[in-house]
Amino acid sequence: GESVGLHLPTLSVQEGDNSIINCAYSNSASDYFIWYKQESGKGPQFIIDIRSNMDKRQGQRVTVLLNKTVKHLSLQIAATQPGDSAVYFCAEKVWNRDDKIIFGKGTRLHILP
Amino acid sequence: GAGVSQSPRYKVAKRGQDVALRCDPISGHVSLFWYQQALGQGPEFLTYFQNEAQLDKSGLPSDRFFAERPEGSVSTLKIQRTQQEDSAVYLCASSLGMEPYNEQFFGPGTRLTVL
Repeated sequence: GESVGLHLPTLSVQEGDNSIINCAYSNSASDYFIWYKQESGKGPQFIIDIRSNMDKRQGQRVTVLLNKTVKHLSLQIAATQPGDSAVYFCAEKVWNRDDKIIFGKGTRLHILP
Repeated sequence: GAGVSQSPRYKVAKRGQDVALRCDPISGHVSLFWYQQALGQGPEFLTYFQNEAQLDKSGLPSDRFFAERPEGSVSTLKIQRTQQEDSAVYLCASSLGMEPYNEQFFGPGTRLTVL
């Protein structure tokens, strides 16, 4: 299959370890943030989201942290598995507007056996 | 299938040809979005429909790009006189369009290669 991104920053993590992917966002007006996972040949898939009135949100094996002061997001994946191999994008938008999503630069997560 | 579908999945065009890319959104979804994803980049917004109305086309890179959704369901993105820089994956997404939460569901994309 084709690659989503050949020149993306890559994070290599040992299987079973925790992964942390970081992202800086740009728009001060954005109050809703989303992490997407994109596997080769597929569209972005929703992982977890967070609104700006929160600092942290947890899902199954994933945690998103938001630091509004420095406009920084992170995605933590616990006990990384081979199926977590993908490109991860952070994204931002305005919460109550049915509007476009602004995607950040992606990070390729590579799982080492 | 219940997801967003796009066709064709792959399209090769000679420079100067016109192409048409189709998106079938999830049934009942009011909003439809087109994004362009260049190799190694995140998706970038092109245009947005609410039912048949095109509410935002600010992301279309030139007047060679045209999108329509005449009956508020299926949408077509047309690119006239394709150029090499048009080579990218074109993603379609749809959402219920009900405020305040409007999760966008993405299709698999159409990979366009212009030779």
